[in-house]
Amino acid sequence: LAKTTQPISMDSYEGQEVNITCSHNNIATNDYITWYQQFPSQGPRFIIQGYKTKVTNEVASLFIPADRKSSTLSLPRVSLSDTAVYYCLVGSPYNQGGKLIFGQGTELSVKP
Amino acid sequence: DAGITQSPRHKVTETGTPVTLRCHQTENHRYMYWYRQDPGHGLRLIHYSYGVKDTDKGEVSDGYSVSRSKTEDFLLTLESATSSQTSVYFCAISLEGSSYEQYFGPGTRLTVT
Repeated sequence: LAKTTQPISMDSYEGQEVNITCSHNNIATNDYITWYQQFPSQGPRFIIQGYKTKVTNEVASLFIPADRKSSTLSLPRVSLSDTAVYYCLVGSPYNQGGKLIFGQGTELSVKP
Repeated sequence: DAGITQSPRHKVTETGTPVTLRCHQTENHRYMYWYRQDPGHGLRLIHYSYGVKDTDKGEVSDGYSVSRSKTEDFLLTLESATSSQTSVYFCAISLEGSSYEQYFGPGTRLTVT
C-alpha cells in the first residue's frame, strides 16, 4: 500500500473553499485514492474516491493530476459542521480483505 | 449508516477479565471489520471477516479473537483484557466489490482499569 502524507492540521473560515492535498509518490497502477471524514466520537465516513482527473459528488471534489503522485480534496464553501479529521487512503479497492490503512489525517478547523 | 449497531457503546472493565463486543448489521454484507482507534495511531485493523466462519487477522490482532457464526453478527473478544486495550473500537462493513468504501458503526469506548 502506498504511503500517504498530508498536513496535520488546517484552519479555515466559514464560506471559504478548503483544499487538502495528499502526497502519494509510490502509488501503484491499480491504486485508487479514497478520502474519509471523521467527526469527533463517530466512525469515519466515506467521502469520495477517484482514479484520475476529477471526481465530484454532492459533498466534495477530488482532483488528481496526470502523474497521480498527489491528490487534492476540495470542500466548497465550508461551514462549521465541516470541522473534522480528513483521511487520505491509497490502494486497490477491489482487493477484498479490508486493507484500509489510515494515517494521521488532517484536522480541519472551521471558524466563524 | 448501513444498518450497523455496536454493543455495548461504553464499557469499563478490570484487567484480566474477558470482554466481548458485538457488531450487528442488517443488510447482509459479506465483509465486516473491527478497528481500534487510539490517539496518535489513527485507526488500525484488528480482524476482518469475509463470510460466515471466515475470518483473518489485521495489523494489531494480538490479544483479540473474533467469531462470525451468522452473517449479521461479528463478535470481537478480548480473552483477558489489558490496559493497553483501552481504546475506541469501530466495526465496519464494506460494499461488495469495493473494500475501500466502508461504512462504520458508532463505536464502543472500552476502558480497562
